[in-house]
Amino acid sequence: SQQGEEDPQALSIQEGENATMNCSYKTSINNLQWYRQNSGRGLVHLILIRSNEREKHSGRLRVTLDTSKKSSSLLITASRAADTASYFCATDGGANSKLTFGKGITLSVRP
Amino acid sequence: DGGITQSPKYLFRKEGQNVTLSCEQNLNHDAMYWYRQDPGQGLRLIYYSQIVNDFQKGDIAEGYSVSREKKESFPLTVTSAQKNPTAFYLCASRNIGQGRGSSTDTQYFGPGTRLTVL
Repeated sequence: SQQGEEDPQALSIQEGENATMNCSYKTSINNLQWYRQNSGRGLVHLILIRSNEREKHSGRLRVTLDTSKKSSSLLITASRAADTASYFCATDGGANSKLTFGKGITLSVRP
Repeated sequence: DGGITQSPKYLFRKEGQNVTLSCEQNLNHDAMYWYRQDPGQGLRLIYYSQIVNDFQKGDIAEGYSVSREKKESFPLTVTSAQKNPTAFYLCASRNIGQGRGSSTDTQYFGPGTRLTVL
């Protein structure tokens, strides 16, 4: 079963704008991770936030986690055409080291 | 794509045939995973293994089989019992961390194999 649900399903923005993607989940987690996938390629890990953290930064990425609302958001600032990809959130419940992925968000950044 | 390789990149299968997808990692990771990706459905877990000679079913194991005879290898066989095998298959590995939320909780993915049934 898929726990993470991303929102929106697709997002199209102009280069230079910020992109905000949301993820909701259903059960308790140890951490939440965001991955990126370019078309036809494998996933690449972007950032991990632990259940006791509220915000984390990595370069142009900012991720927040609200465990009371069971939701997370990923913000990409000053987007570039190269940011065009699919983005997935994945939750780690700590059991058997499995990740549960959402269906993904397709981000298109127009030059 | 890190130190994980998958082969072949494209695979075509006739109905009724078994095919084996290769996954090798040189990261010395303990755990390995197989996912299936269909358009609009994200990644679904087929099988995973946390240690050599042991593996567990994921959410959609029916019609698939795996083996884990070596730490670095985790081949997936798509059997003729899998009714709709056309999909993109992704292998991943992970070092099982000692503490919760450690950096080793991340998974490293291979480039994928696209399987098409003719």
